[in-house]
Amino acid sequence: AQSVSQHNHHVILSEAASLELGCNYSYGGTVNLFWYVQYPGQHLQLLLKYFSGDPLVKGIKGFEAEFIKSKFSFNLRKPSVQWSDTAEYFCAVSSRGQNFVFGPGTRLSVLP
Amino acid sequence: EAGVTQSPTHLIKTRGQQATLRCSPISGHTSVYWYQQALGLGLQFLLWYDEGEERNRGNFPPRFSGRQFPNYSSELNVNALELEDSALYLCASSLQGSAGNTIYFGEGSWLTVV
Repeated sequence: AQSVSQHNHHVILSEAASLELGCNYSYGGTVNLFWYVQYPGQHLQLLLKYFSGDPLVKGIKGFEAEFIKSKFSFNLRKPSVQWSDTAEYFCAVSSRGQNFVFGPGTRLSVLP
Repeated sequence: EAGVTQSPTHLIKTRGQQATLRCSPISGHTSVYWYQQALGLGLQFLLWYDEGEERNRGNFPPRFSGRQFPNYSSELNVNALELEDSALYLCASSLQGSAGNTIYFGEGSWLTVV
């Protein structure tokens, strides 16, 4: 069975700081990887996704993530966070015949 | 184009009652997923329906059940409600089975059990 872990439960940063949120998954086959974001009071939105090709994928709002197959990781990065990035971030994995599995989420608080 | 729509937005039930939540997927999507988001517990997978069939089920008791209709809309039923069933129930849809597709979420239905 697939599982997803996220390294941090809660991250607190000041504006303009760099962000890296860790995500690891356990599944030996071909996977699709996602990051979703849930802004306060809003529904879950897709931030970025990886299906194949270039392991460095760019998403909305300046976010990017790198798929490192050997490490089963898909870490999310942003060079300079803004107060509006305050949200909960979920890493997810899917594969053929399997449902989407989400990590426990990382709450990001950006201080103005 | 309309996104995933869920109803009701909020529902208050007493312990022991039954709750029914509804979901309409994005037009053209045949897969529907249900997740429970309880406070501090992240997204817990409940059920996955594709083309009217239940494809997978999460680690929840049998009193959590659902179905998918011929128009691909879906219903989640929770019987014999318990206080810990209070949560946000999220529905998501995708074009087909999960491989290679993105799922899109609705805004959720808040269920409060008192």
